[in-house]
Amino acid sequence: AQSVTQLGSHVSVSEGALVLLRCNYSSSVPPYLFWYVQYPNQGLQLLLKYTTGATLVKGINGFEAEFKKSETSFHLTKPSAHMSDAAEYFCAVRGWGSSNTGKLIFGQGTTLQVKP
Amino acid sequence: EAGVAQSPRYKIIEKRQSVAFWCNPISGHATLYWYQQILGQGPKLLIQFQNNGVVDDSQLPKDRFSAERLKGVDSTLKIQPAKLEDSAVYLCASSARPRVVEAFFGQGTRLTVV
Repeated sequence: AQSVTQLGSHVSVSEGALVLLRCNYSSSVPPYLFWYVQYPNQGLQLLLKYTTGATLVKGINGFEAEFKKSETSFHLTKPSAHMSDAAEYFCAVRGWGSSNTGKLIFGQGTTLQVKP
Repeated sequence: EAGVAQSPRYKIIEKRQSVAFWCNPISGHATLYWYQQILGQGPKLLIQFQNNGVVDDSQLPKDRFSAERLKGVDSTLKIQPAKLEDSAVYLCASSARPRVVEAFFGQGTRLTVV
């Protein structure tokens, strides 16, 4: 079974500051990991994903995340926050293998506020 | 390429009424998901279809919720009768195959039950 915990339901940063959104997962099989962003009254947009291979994953809008198996973490970072980054961010995990149905397990979300 | 289409975008109903949501996935996508997103929570899978067959409906409240995907293309999710706790955003997503990594989401339908 898989689960996701996002540490901090609200994160506030100043424009130009580092963004760090934390995600820890639990999975009995090697995980596929995702970060999605949700703007108000919109659906979910994929920011980046980890499947296999390189553990540092780069996504859209300058975001990146590093898969750390030993820490069961997949934290999302961006060196310099922009006002347009203000949104809700969701970390998700998905199992793989013969029993994989493609179902995503989401964390509870982190609201990112960017102050001018 | 057109994205996942959902309608309506917003719906307000009284408790005990019925409501239906429609989803048209990306063309050619065999796998379709319905997720429920309650305010302040992450999305939770309600039901997954592979073509017109159900793969996972373990978290679907079957006494009031039903879904179908006739002909393996578009899908309808119904609630009858609605309860206050059904107020949520209902998201539809699709992927080319279940083991294809990326799922694409629609904009969702925001349901308010009063």
